[in-house]
Amino acid sequence: KNEVEQSPQNLTAQEGEFITINCSYSVGISALHWLQQHPGGGIVSLFMLSSGKKKHGRLIATINIQEKHSSLHITASHPRDSAVYICAVDTGTASKLTFGTGTRLQVTL
Amino acid sequence: DVKVTQSSRYLVKRTGEKVFLECVQDMDHENMFWYRQDPGLGLRLIYFSYDVKMKEKGDIPEGYSVSREKKERFSLILESASTNQTSMYLCASSPPTGLSYNEQFFGPGTRLTVL
Repeated sequence: KNEVEQSPQNLTAQEGEFITINCSYSVGISALHWLQQHPGGGIVSLFMLSSGKKKHGRLIATINIQEKHSSLHITASHPRDSAVYICAVDTGTASKLTFGTGTRLQVTL
Repeated sequence: DVKVTQSSRYLVKRTGEKVFLECVQDMDHENMFWYRQDPGLGLRLIYFSYDVKMKEKGDIPEGYSVSREKKERFSLILESASTNQTSMYLCASSPPTGLSYNEQFFGPGTRLTVL
């Protein structure tokens, strides 16, 4: 069993829909990261959080440390949100991250 | 802004060739990483380096080696390329452990095809 599990693996939504991507992990962590990868490869960091909730524009990330679970929400989704969203956890071991397999999001008009 | 660059976006090599993938970062980061990314498997760590001339094996080091002679440059070497090394290769860097919760900054990736 992977230490970091994401769901769903694939998600298709219509423009304007509210989207939720989930991440569960089985190890102790010091922080959790949400990353975005557009077609072409480049990965950018969206959020880094160790407790509570963070918001940036239409993106909201939450984490529940007790339940070992995090969610990434996108409000009023847009086709430019189409990307792979990756959850990664920092276990505090030598700067390394452990990655989920990603959620491929497609937002259509 | 942190910039991480990789020497090639696309690379095609033949089985048995020696392949060099170069990564350069401009933010004086101590830590640098090489990953490969395959469908359904996510990012897997090949090697990482926490200082010049220092390296540690990641989860899948077999068939690869690395070199870090200068702080800003981290090279991945495929000594004898094989078809199962066809993949997307991503480099990343991060500040020292304990700062900024190990946020990693990624390069654009190199899509390597081994024929």
